[in-house]
Amino acid sequence: EDQVTQSPEALRLQEGESSSLNCSYTVSGLRGLFWYRQDPGKGPEFLFTLYSAGEEKEKERLKATLTKKESFLHITAPKPEDSATYLCAVQDSSNTGKLIFGQGTTLQVKP
Amino acid sequence: NAGVTQTPKFRVLKTGQSMTLLCAQDMNHEYMYWYRQDPGMGLRLIHYSVGEGTTAKGEVPDGYNVSRLKKQNFLLGLESAAPSQTSVYFCASSSSLGGSPEAFFGQGTRLTVV
Repeated sequence: EDQVTQSPEALRLQEGESSSLNCSYTVSGLRGLFWYRQDPGKGPEFLFTLYSAGEEKEKERLKATLTKKESFLHITAPKPEDSATYLCAVQDSSNTGKLIFGQGTTLQVKP
Repeated sequence: NAGVTQTPKFRVLKTGQSMTLLCAQDMNHEYMYWYRQDPGMGLRLIHYSVGEGTTAKGEVPDGYNVSRLKKQNFLLGLESAAPSQTSVYFCASSSSLGGSPEAFFGQGTRLTVV
């Protein structure tokens, strides 16, 4: 059964304090692993897609990496505006586009 | 370019009432999805469609029906609402082409069943 587990559930950082969010997954044939950002009361907003182990992608203070079993979202020198819930999802090879989501990590960055 | 638009944004239903949630996308995507989001549960797939006239069950389909009569619209129906269906509902769409598989989400519908 496809499964995605994110840790920690919640993370509090001081502005400038770098850290990482973890996403562990099991899937029958990975087509892609996705990271989304969700602000309160809004829909998820796409950040990255990773396709194969060893791949990395960056966007501003965020860098996503992928291994065969997990993905990390590294946040370097975060700012208060990075506060949000970060969602990880996997897509299998069934060619339906379905996503299996983890529970999310809620990040709070204090000034 | 509106992306994915959901209607309504908020709704309160009494147990046993019915309603339809509308999702419209203007990106010419083949694939469309309905998810529900509950605290501590993440996003769970209710139903999905891989093209006009097709629908399929997701992880939590019981109590819901869907229709995809037009490519741009995906409707989610609750025939007899129950308090367990209190949730935030998100519609999403994605391309069937290999280059851009990411899903785009609407702003959500917050439904309360009393």
